[in-house]
Amino acid sequence: ETGVTQTPRHLVMGMTNKKSLKCEQHLGHNAMYWYKQSAKKPLELMFVYSLEERVENNSVPSRFSPECPNSSHLFLHLHTLQPEDSALYLCASSQDPPNYGYTFGSGTRLTVV
Amino acid sequence: GESVGLHLPTLSVQEGDNSIINCAYSNSASDYFIWYKQESGKGPQFIIDIRSNMDKRQGQRVTVLLNKTVKHLSLQIAATQPGDSAVYFCAETFQGAQKLVFGQGTRLTINP
Repeated sequence: ETGVTQTPRHLVMGMTNKKSLKCEQHLGHNAMYWYKQSAKKPLELMFVYSLEERVENNSVPSRFSPECPNSSHLFLHLHTLQPEDSALYLCASSQDPPNYGYTFGSGTRLTVV
Repeated sequence: GESVGLHLPTLSVQEGDNSIINCAYSNSASDYFIWYKQESGKGPQFIIDIRSNMDKRQGQRVTVLLNKTVKHLSLQIAATQPGDSAVYFCAETFQGAQKLVFGQGTRLTINP
């Protein structure tokens, strides 16, 4: 365990479903991140939260909706996804700014059918 | 064996050999660099880091070299083992930035 826990580890959902990914950290970090990792592509930054405020949204479609209720928890709400959204979704946390890098969770493997 | 990171995303070496994974970065203001290892089914894990006031840093079986003149970073793994098979990412950031910037990644395969 890295100190960043993501649930569920695997998720299969239909295009009309609504689901949420959860990320939890107890490292005392004050910044959290969502990344998308697709096959043969670099890590794609989706959202950055610092002190529970969204500070970056990298042109992510509105079918992805993040939520950060406190500095320890981060959610990614999913609705009406497309098959091309199938990927590994990684959560990370860090101090803000990340002067010592990120700690990543193990990811949620999402398959949209 | 040696890879050119962004241009050669796979590297195969024999078990016991040394491997070198390279990474080119573009931001001359970057002053902190990290190597991450991602094994199958897991998230990236921190291996070693280096700040711009150094040009070399050693860990257990790993060494990171930084050449700021040509904006080049490398990860050397000594006496590779099967457990070293993974994708390796370099990442960079600079003072005050709110995020890391990741390279494409290099897949390292250790042959028995």
